[in-house]
Amino acid sequence: DVVLTQSPLSLPVTLGQPASISCRSSQSLLYSDGNTYLNWFQQRPGQSPRRLIYLVSNRDSGVPDRFSGSGSGADFTLKISRVEAEDVGIYYCMQDTHWPWTFGQGTKVEIK
Amino acid sequence: EVQLVQSGAEVKKPGESLKISCRGSGYTFTDYWIGWVRQVPGRGLEWMGIIYTVDSDKRYSPSFQGRVTVSADRSLNSAFLQWRSVQASDTAMYYCVRGSGSGADDFDYWGQGTLVTVSS
Repeated sequence: DVVLTQSPLSLPVTLGQPASISCRSSQSLLYSDGNTYLNWFQQRPGQSPRRLIYLVSNRDSGVPDRFSGSGSGADFTLKISRVEAEDVGIYYCMQDTHWPWTFGQGTKVEIK
Repeated sequence: EVQLVQSGAEVKKPGESLKISCRGSGYTFTDYWIGWVRQVPGRGLEWMGIIYTVDSDKRYSPSFQGRVTVSADRSLNSAFLQWRSVQASDTAMYYCVRGSGSGADDFDYWGQGTLVTVSS
């Protein structure tokens, strides 16, 4: 299985400050169709996961533009330009290039 | 409005059978596959399997192959996840999620989750 390694696993952030989460894959996530199937999800306490980013850098409808995704191959990053209180939760990267699809371990974002 | 609505929480004893459901609405059910994701309390997310609702073709994660069965009933716009014999280790929240294979339409809608508790 493809292993996705996120870092850090815990991220205390001051309101209004930036945050960055890394997701490294054990193999390239570039698919034969030219797409890289790497997604980012947010899971707030007590809620279902919510997709934020798909295909590395495409933001979902309704997702604030302070969230951005970047990367290629096996190295990806989720950035929050200015953390707000509603951003508290656990963030997961997930690949659907190789079956079985896999998630990273999750990064817990909390306010300092 | 697109919705995936899952069946309610279950409490089972080890060895009992179980079937949980996920009903889609607000979209053409057979245009999307339905997948199942497990979340053990306080832990991360794991893919279990998916079913292509148009023809009921299935894919299972090797970790769950033989332990669960996914199915669908197009007439009910519903997908199902079932166990012949649950164990304590099956205690978890289970989510259904839809996708089309396009990237953009994958994982965009999730069910609210079904909590399964297995205890003697």
